[in-house]
Amino acid sequence: DTAVSQTPKYLVTQMGNDKSIKCEQNLGHDTMYWYKQDSKKFLKIMFSYNNKELIINETVPNRFSPKSPDKAHLNLHINSLELGDSAVYFCASSPDSTYEAFFGQGTRLTVV
Amino acid sequence: GDSVTQMEGPVTLSEEAFLTINCTYTATGYPSLFWYVQYPGEGLQLLLKATKADDKGSNKGFEATYRKETTSFHLEKGSVQVSDSAVYFCALRSPGGGNKLTFGTGTQLKVEL
Repeated sequence: DTAVSQTPKYLVTQMGNDKSIKCEQNLGHDTMYWYKQDSKKFLKIMFSYNNKELIINETVPNRFSPKSPDKAHLNLHINSLELGDSAVYFCASSPDSTYEAFFGQGTRLTVV
Repeated sequence: GDSVTQMEGPVTLSEEAFLTINCTYTATGYPSLFWYVQYPGEGLQLLLKATKADDKGSNKGFEATYRKETTSFHLEKGSVQVSDSAVYFCALRSPGGGNKLTFGTGTQLKVEL
């Protein structure tokens, strides 16, 4: 009965590859997010969707493309992976954009 | 824009010591304030929150009071345990900031026997 679940938990891949991370929430929330946590634990928002519509798009390379097929899912596709993309990526959701966010367990991406 | 400043870590304490982790913020309008905790290898969990000035959030022995006059939301606990060892993040959400959740840099707490 995991509230916000991400797959995979670990992802090791070579530079130049394309990969996806999936996120699903079963909380009935309208808003979903992707955050990136770097090696110093700093968290930065990448994207936010509300009812499948993009509402926040921070300064993120266009190699990163979020896709929300329905309001319970927000996937992250990354093209042409670079070493600097190595980080932990967290998916989160909230009832709307004014409440606290509920986080998934994270996906540790390592680009070699 | 919105920003959150936390004290640098790591903070190392003995079990049963008093904990304070300082957090100050800059925001447009009247933000909601949060403390999240991240245990090793896990995602972030909401620890407590306060949505208006003078509110006190509390959970698991942790407390923080929303101080508008000093733009602060310091986290305190009277007696820490080894199991409290984690990274603590202060965060805010404000309408003027597009309602995105803005985090501080995190403070690592290590509690030793």
